[in-house]
Amino acid sequence: GQQVMQIPQYQHVQEGEDFTTYCNSSTTLSNIQWYKQRPGGHPVFLIQLVKSGEVKKQKRLTFQFGEAKKNSSLHITATQTTDVGTYFCAGPLYNTDKLIFGTGTRLQVFP
Amino acid sequence: NAGVTQTPKFQVLKTGQSMTLQCAQDMNHEYMSWYRQDPGMGLRLIHYSVGAGITDQGEVPNGYNVSRSTTEDFPLRLLSAAPSQTSVYFCASSYSGEGYTFGSGTRLTVV
Repeated sequence: GQQVMQIPQYQHVQEGEDFTTYCNSSTTLSNIQWYKQRPGGHPVFLIQLVKSGEVKKQKRLTFQFGEAKKNSSLHITATQTTDVGTYFCAGPLYNTDKLIFGTGTRLQVFP
Repeated sequence: NAGVTQTPKFQVLKTGQSMTLQCAQDMNHEYMSWYRQDPGMGLRLIHYSVGAGITDQGEVPNGYNVSRSTTEDFPLRLLSAAPSQTSVYFCASSYSGEGYTFGSGTRLTVV
């Protein structure tokens, strides 16, 4: 079945360093969504990418959707302690509306 | 707007008991989904719905039933609780499948 993997599983950085998480799907995705979950909280929607090669920015966060629409990345510039949490990518199961989540990358930022 | 409301927030069940996790949204969203999240793991789709009267299975549907009699409500029923169903359960809704809004979760322990 369709799988959505993320790497790394866990990363800790010093405040001010950059961070990138990568998302890879075994099948082509019609769109990719990114969510953030703070420790003890619930996932919060960040953004959706639809077009091949699309790049979107939200302040220090840059999201990319691969040309083949099978991979995506989230890059955070100059991390802050408020960036702590787990970042998930998610995409619809092929030809359905079922949203399947990636394995997540847990980010820890040390001051 | 309350968003997505889940009740209860915490529940302890004995093996074999049944119960219903409630989920309600007041955003007139057509899409609703149930996910479970186990410690250190991602979110796995249990069941989902694209509108009143329409439901479908997700990745891990066994042991769970759902119904969608109204747009607002999407209850999840555990038929005969097992320790393997100990998890945090999230309900989520979306207008069109883009950008799901999550509830705060129900933490379920089966002993």
